[in-house]
Amino acid sequence: QKEVEQNSGPLSVPEGAIASLNCTYSDRVSQSFFWYRQYSGKSPELIMSIYSNGDKEDGRFTAQLNKASQYVSLLIRDSQPSDSATYLCAPFGYKLSFGAGTTVTVRA
Amino acid sequence: ETGVTQTPRHLVMGMTNKKSLKCEQHLGHNAMYWYKQSAKKPLELMFVYNFKEQTENNSVPSRFSPECPNSSHLFLHLHTLQPEDSALYLCASSQDRAGYTFGSGTRLTVV
Repeated sequence: QKEVEQNSGPLSVPEGAIASLNCTYSDRVSQSFFWYRQYSGKSPELIMSIYSNGDKEDGRFTAQLNKASQYVSLLIRDSQPSDSATYLCAPFGYKLSFGAGTTVTVRA
Repeated sequence: ETGVTQTPRHLVMGMTNKKSLKCEQHLGHNAMYWYKQSAKKPLELMFVYNFKEQTENNSVPSRFSPECPNSSHLFLHLHTLQPEDSALYLCASSQDRAGYTFGSGTRLTVV
């Protein structure tokens, strides 16, 4: 089993819709969870961090964490074309592990 | 600028060349990392340094040689590379368990 698994993409959503990204992880010691956004040809950029079970909202982004199920998700509300990118899930156990990423395309 | 500066941004080198990638972080972080990202592939961790001591070498070939003279600087020395080593090389830094800050990367092409 891979350390971090993300829902396979690409994910195509119309402008204004909700994009839903899922991530499961295998390392039970993971305590911190991060979502990164990576535009094509660019480096990853941290967009969300979550440390405790439940929801965390930041603007149009909501992260949800369930440590018992080893599951973390990211919702992007009112999706914009500028949200088109690859989103990387990154749980932190003793080091940061990255998933393969889910590529999101927002159709205008 | 993200607080992590990488140079050069692009590098083309022959298989017999020796070159070095440089990374500098201005954030006061205590850990620095080298990642490799090949086309259509996930990030691969190469090396980890904590307080300038190497704590992880992820089975990286010896043609890649890291150097961390202090907590703010990290180098990746390259020699006798192969075409399959062509990739985006990313440096990152972090403080304790906080998220990583990445540099802009060096796009390496081996010819």
